[in-house]
Amino acid sequence: EAGVAQSPRYKIIEKRQSVAFWCNPISGHATLYWYQQILGQGPKLLIQFQNNGVVDDSQLPKDRFSAERLKGVDSTLKIQPAKLEDSAVYLCASSLTQGLYNEQFFGPGTRLTVL
Amino acid sequence: AQRVTQPEKLLSVFKGAPVELKCNYSYSGSPELFWYVQYSRQRLQLLLRHISRESIKGFTADLNKGETSFHLKKPFAQEEDSAMYYCALGGSGNTGKLIFGQGTTLQVKP
Repeated sequence: EAGVAQSPRYKIIEKRQSVAFWCNPISGHATLYWYQQILGQGPKLLIQFQNNGVVDDSQLPKDRFSAERLKGVDSTLKIQPAKLEDSAVYLCASSLTQGLYNEQFFGPGTRLTVL
Repeated sequence: AQRVTQPEKLLSVFKGAPVELKCNYSYSGSPELFWYVQYSRQRLQLLLRHISRESIKGFTADLNKGETSFHLKKPFAQEEDSAMYYCALGGSGNTGKLIFGQGTTLQVKP
């Protein structure tokens, strides 16, 4: 089966600019996750969707980050305006449904560099 | 607070030597723990979870609630085991949220 797709793979922007990332989960997967992975750290959950509803966005910096999954399939994550500390790899993952017994499948990630 | 600590950034061993990647957690309830692996130029993927008690690619991990540890072990390391390993803790509420450690790079030398 096709895996989780993400685009773009790399993005370089200047601080205060805006950027958007796109994720297409595995077909049929109801749960979608966005993680931020700063260099030298493990992934940190930013937001979790179940279909098109938000399950957890407690660690999403809502003053600058936003995410949506309007039709319960693809999702976009936006940063506006970007800061230097937003430089990271942004990982998208999906699972059949929510719950720890449902394996999360990860995409290749988008590497963001903010100059 | 829910937290995962992997004390070693890098673990370097020779082929055939035993491997132990350390993971300690902080969690007030009954923990669900996982090991994820990322091979060079590949995606992050699940290696094993403690609930299934299985051995994957020769790796095992035992949950020690007394020591709040979930160390990953393999008796004889292979060069293809070289990768980044992340320990993860399932967050409360069983939503599927994972809390990852900082990761340990395992380097297996020939």
